Amino acid sequence: AQSVTQLDSQVPVFEEAPVELRCNYSSSVSVYLFWYVQYPNQGLQLLLKYLSGSTLVKGINGFEAEFNKSQTSFHLRKPSVHISDTAEYFCAVSDQTGGYNKLIFGAGTRLAVHP
Amino acid sequence: SAVISQKPSRDICQRGTSLTIQCQVDSQVTMMFWYRQQPGQSLTLIATANQGSEATYESGFVIDKFPISRPNLTFSTLTVSNMSPEDSSIYLCSVTPSGRVTDTQYFGPGTRLTVL
Repeated sequence: AQSVTQLDSQVPVFEEAPVELRCNYSSSVSVYLFWYVQYPNQGLQLLLKYLSGSTLVKGINGFEAEFNKSQTSFHLRKPSVHISDTAEYFCAVSDQTGGYNKLIFGAGTRLAVHP
Repeated sequence: SAVISQKPSRDICQRGTSLTIQCQVDSQVTMMFWYRQQPGQSLTLIATANQGSEATYESGFVIDKFPISRPNLTFSTLTVSNMSPEDSSIYLCSVTPSGRVTDTQYFGPGTRLTVL
């Protein structure tokens, strides 16, 4: 079965600074990777996903992620963060064990953007 | 895409009682999922519900504790039975419109449950 490790539980950063949220997954023949964001008291929203093709994936709100197969990583980046980016970020991998698809989530990274 | 609503949005319940959470989608979807998010933690899949078949439960979750109904392609319910304080969590419904593994999962706003 797949697993996901988010290496940082919390990331504090100042506004307009760059940020990287790290995610590693267990290897598999084919893998689909996702980043979701959860704003306070809300459900999850898809930021971006990697299915195939270009290893650099661009998402909403200026976020991007790079798929690195050799390092089994899918780190999320943003060159300049805003206060409104304060949220919980979840990395997820698809898992087809058992014959149906489901998402396996990492523990989450809490991004706190300070003025 | 899919827009999902959940009822209730939050509830406070007594130990030993049961609560049924409803999930309504604005379009027909193949697969529906129920997740639990305990305070300060990630999402854990409880079960997958396909219309017309029994729900498939993940390890650690059983039908007697979390019975699920999926009467049609736009609706599902999750019941949390014989509740204890350890069941205090946010319960989230999600869907994949086509059921493909590459499909985006859309999430409802969640039901915040507190058990006293």
